[in-house]
Amino acid sequence: AQTVTQSQPEMSVQEAETVTLSCTYDTSESDYYLFWYKQPPSRQMILVIRQEAYKQQNATENRFSVNFQKAAKSFSLKISDSQLGDAAMYFCAYRWGKLTFGQGTILTVHP
Amino acid sequence: EAGVAQSPRYKIIEKRQSVAFWCNPISGHATLYWYQQILGQGPKLLIQFQNNGVVDDSQLPKDRFSAERLKGVDSTLKIQPAKLEDSAVYLCASSFGTGFAYEQYFGPGTRLTVT
Repeated sequence: AQTVTQSQPEMSVQEAETVTLSCTYDTSESDYYLFWYKQPPSRQMILVIRQEAYKQQNATENRFSVNFQKAAKSFSLKISDSQLGDAAMYFCAYRWGKLTFGQGTILTVHP
Repeated sequence: EAGVAQSPRYKIIEKRQSVAFWCNPISGHATLYWYQQILGQGPKLLIQFQNNGVVDDSQLPKDRFSAERLKGVDSTLKIQPAKLEDSAVYLCASSFGTGFAYEQYFGPGTRLTVT
């Protein structure tokens, strides 16, 4: 069974600085998708960034980028120039068949 | 474009009572998902529909949970009878198709408290 592990229950960052959220996963598949979702307090979950496993190039979306290490089964999210609006729960997710989520990391942004 | 709609937003019931949740997906989205998100955990897929057919319900506790998607659009999820451990947020999501790359769009969720 596929599992997704986020080892950091909570992280904090100063506004305008950079923070990295960690994620590891376990799979025997070679072609799959990885995602980071953001869930603000009492608001809807939204997709932040996605990575296709067969693509070696790391995905980037504005201030958000990933470090995808396929052999190590690692998929970290880097948020640059952190903003107050980035404060949320972040979920790493894996998809081959159904979408499997990690336990989440609460990100606090300090002004 | 309207997002995924869910109702009610909050529901409090006593154990052994029944409850139903409603979801209206984004127009044109053939695939609909129901997730259960227990406090402090990531969402867990309960059931996936493609149009009005079930694709995956392997994690749905079928002795108490049921779901249907009438006419391939709206969907309802029912719990009967509810247990204390059913307290969670129930998320509905939809996507254009079933392929892995298709983005899933989530609704605001229904927060269920079972007392």
